[in-house]
Amino acid sequence: QKEVEQNSGPLSVPEGAIASLNCTYSDRGSQSFFWYRQYSGKSPELIMFIYSNGDKEDGRFTAQLNKASQYVSLLIRDSQPSDSATYLCAVKRPGGYNKLIFGAGTRLAVHP
Amino acid sequence: GAVVSQHPSRVICKSGTSVKIECRSLDFQATTMFWYRQFPKQSLMLMATSNEGSKATYEQGVEKDKFLINHASLTLSTLTVTSAHPEDSSFYICSAKDRGARNSPLHFGNGTRLTVT
Repeated sequence: QKEVEQNSGPLSVPEGAIASLNCTYSDRGSQSFFWYRQYSGKSPELIMFIYSNGDKEDGRFTAQLNKASQYVSLLIRDSQPSDSATYLCAVKRPGGYNKLIFGAGTRLAVHP
Repeated sequence: GAVVSQHPSRVICKSGTSVKIECRSLDFQATTMFWYRQFPKQSLMLMATSNEGSKATYEQGVEKDKFLINHASLTLSTLTVTSAHPEDSSFYICSAKDRGARNSPLHFGNGTRLTVT
């Protein structure tokens, strides 16, 4: 079982719709969760991080965490074509050093 | 915001040669830096954890003698790919955490695209 699993997509949504991206993780001891966006050929850029169960909102983005279900998601409201990218879920491995383990990423395509 | 500079951004080398990639934290100190590798259409795979003043710790399956890591100061880590082969062609990305900011996330460099011919 992979440490972090994501559906590879592509997830195709129309402009203005809500895009929902999902991620599950295997280590129940994980405490910190991150969403990164990566454009083709570029390095990942941080969108949001979440540590506590529930929702965390930042502009058009909402991260949701359910530790009991080992599930974290990212909602993008009012999706724009510029949101088209690969979204990487990352989980900090328990213990020291802040090691981040990434999922394979979900490719999002927002069409006009 | 915190900036991580990675150099070079792109390098082409011949098979059998060695390539050094630098990762610098420009406005913060990082006792720990991480090196990732990403093949086309795949996710980032953690290669090793670089610790200032001590030996790097490598993930399972990563050859420490092939991927030499040196973390000589609180702002610089280097990754040297020794005796590079075409299968080492990949996108190498470093990241660092600000040791002075307890809950800050990792900051990523812009990556180095290595092509071995």
